Amino acid sequence: DAKTTQPTSMDCAEGRAANLPCNHSTISGNEYVYWYRQIHSQGPQYIIHGLKNNETNEMASLIITEDRKSSTLILPHATLRDTAVYYCASGGSNYKLTFGKGTLLTVNP
Amino acid sequence: DTAVSQTPKYLVTQMGNDKSIKCEQNLGHDTMYWYKQDSKKFLKIMFSYNNKELIINETVPNRFSPKSPDKAHLNLHINSLELGDSAVYFCASSPSGTSGTNEQFFGPGTRLTVL
Repeated sequence: DAKTTQPTSMDCAEGRAANLPCNHSTISGNEYVYWYRQIHSQGPQYIIHGLKNNETNEMASLIITEDRKSSTLILPHATLRDTAVYYCASGGSNYKLTFGKGTLLTVNP
Repeated sequence: DTAVSQTPKYLVTQMGNDKSIKCEQNLGHDTMYWYKQDSKKFLKIMFSYNNKELIINETVPNRFSPKSPDKAHLNLHINSLELGDSAVYFCASSPSGTSGTNEQFFGPGTRLTVL
């Protein structure tokens, strides 16, 4: 199971893009990269996932490096409500997700 | 219309007691999970069931026993509670399929405090 590492915390100005990095250098070829976020006291919320290609949805974009050893979650226009802990996770078809320790993103007005 | 629900939301109990946490999902998913989140916010898988069969059983004391009466429910029973069991327990579910992806939907959590 791939181990993911993330910075402990990051700050971002409201309205700016938030770029959250994740290192997953031991990820295997069939494991996906997932991003979740957890707003205080709530359950983790799925954001996006990808295998090789960059992905975009209504919440965020996911950029995966060509060697798949790292990825970046991009929130294009961060708002105060995006303040949360963001978890990077890896997992394949064995139903198991291995979560990193998370990055506390604080969006400042 | 809660997708994944857990009861109770808070559970305060004495050491040595036995307690249960219930989880239900109305998403029609085949796979359900229990996670433990400690005080440092580290989220770790404990168990997973697929169509009522146990498929993941991490290194968890055997005082913890999951039970899945049907694929929409996964309960967690804990015997002889210890101080170290204090944590937030999350239930999750995901559809099973052949795509290899594992998008999981989490419940609101149960905060267990053992005194």
